[in-house]
Amino acid sequence: SQTIHQWPATLVQPVGSPLSLECTVEGTSNPNLYWYRQAAGRGLQLLFYSVGIGQISSEVPQNLSASRPQDRQFILSSKKLLLSDSGFYLCAFKGRDTEAFFGQGTRLTVV
Amino acid sequence: GENVEQHPSTLSVQEGDSAVIKCTYSDSASNYFPWYKQELGKRPQLIIDIRSNVGEKKDQRIAVTLNKTAKHFSLHITETQPEDSAVYFCAASIRTGSARQLTFGSGTQLTVLP
Repeated sequence: SQTIHQWPATLVQPVGSPLSLECTVEGTSNPNLYWYRQAAGRGLQLLFYSVGIGQISSEVPQNLSASRPQDRQFILSSKKLLLSDSGFYLCAFKGRDTEAFFGQGTRLTVV
Repeated sequence: GENVEQHPSTLSVQEGDSAVIKCTYSDSASNYFPWYKQELGKRPQLIIDIRSNVGEKKDQRIAVTLNKTAKHFSLHITETQPEDSAVYFCAASIRTGSARQLTFGSGTQLTVLP
């Protein structure tokens, strides 16, 4: 069966520190992978999506970057976090003709 | 790109009443419309979806309707229960190159009052 793992679940980081959130998918090959951010009480904002290894599309200019070093691995990074980077980050995958499945999410608080 | 608008942003209903959430989309090429339910602090989870070759789909107390001409789709929840309280997101899926993107609405906070 298809599963998605995202970690860590919560993270508190100081301003200016680096960030690395990881997401891995099992049970599917060549999925479309996504990173979303959700501010408190707000909707889902698409940050990045990837259709294959090394292929990253950015939806909004920001302080974050994404990488896909392997088919089922998607990483969200930042070199220097800002206070405004706080939020709930969700990784998701979508196979062909399937709905999107979300990871458990990472609640990031930048202090 | 695709733009999905969702209304209302908040909705309160009495237990047992019906709830309706409406979404519109902009790109006529969108052909897949899922609905997600997100409980507080948890991940969004699919509750029902509909494809553009279908006008209506029902699963127990939940139904979704799609009007392709008007480019709008709606979620209907009947006989609401307190456990239906959550944020609901609609989405529209469109193929962009080799990717299939999901564009989400802004969400509806549904509160079912006992």
